[in-house]
Amino acid sequence: GQSLEQPSEVTAVEGAIVQINCTYQTSGFYGLSWYQQHDGGAPTFLSYNALDGLEETGRFSSFLSRSDSYGYLLLQELQMKDSASYFCAVKAGSARQLTFGSGTQLTVLP
Amino acid sequence: NAGVMQNPRHLVRRRGQEARLRCSPMKGHSHVYWYRQLPEEGLKFMVYLQKENIIDESGMPKERFSAEFPKEGPSILRIQQVVRGDSAAYFCASSPSGSTEAFFGQGTRLTVV
Repeated sequence: GQSLEQPSEVTAVEGAIVQINCTYQTSGFYGLSWYQQHDGGAPTFLSYNALDGLEETGRFSSFLSRSDSYGYLLLQELQMKDSASYFCAVKAGSARQLTFGSGTQLTVLP
Repeated sequence: NAGVMQNPRHLVRRRGQEARLRCSPMKGHSHVYWYRQLPEEGLKFMVYLQKENIIDESGMPKERFSAEFPKEGPSILRIQQVVRGDSAAYFCASSPSGSTEAFFGQGTRLTVV
């Protein structure tokens, strides 16, 4: 099976930079994704990394190291609206199912 | 192109009744995932389906739960003889074949009283 670990909570101030880490244990790894969820609403896709390195999309960047089974989501120039839960997810296994971590609650303070 | 549609948004059932949750994937999407989420917790994988096939149901409880994704019509998650512990938000996500991105519906909030 697949297991993922990420911090349960992170707090930062507006304008700051925050990094949310994710480590995983899996077999048949294909890629690591990040999703954002506001107040129990529909999770929305942020990024996907299949290869090692950094992917940048505006204020958000995502990093993957396959050899370390580790990735992170980097959020820059934090805004109040970034307060949400952030989930890492692995696409893995023979069925290529999508398995999520338990989520990191990000609180952005003024 | 409408997003992933789940209905009902809220469902109340008495213990022992059946709950049927529906998910209409985005047009052209042949893959459907179902997840369960308890308050303040993560998304727990339940089942992964393609049209007319269950690909992975390793997250489904062995009893009372079943899922289908017929050739025509929505995917259905069925919970028989519901118990209080089934109360949760159930999310459906869909993706096209080979895609790395899953699109989520707004979820169905099931409350068992």
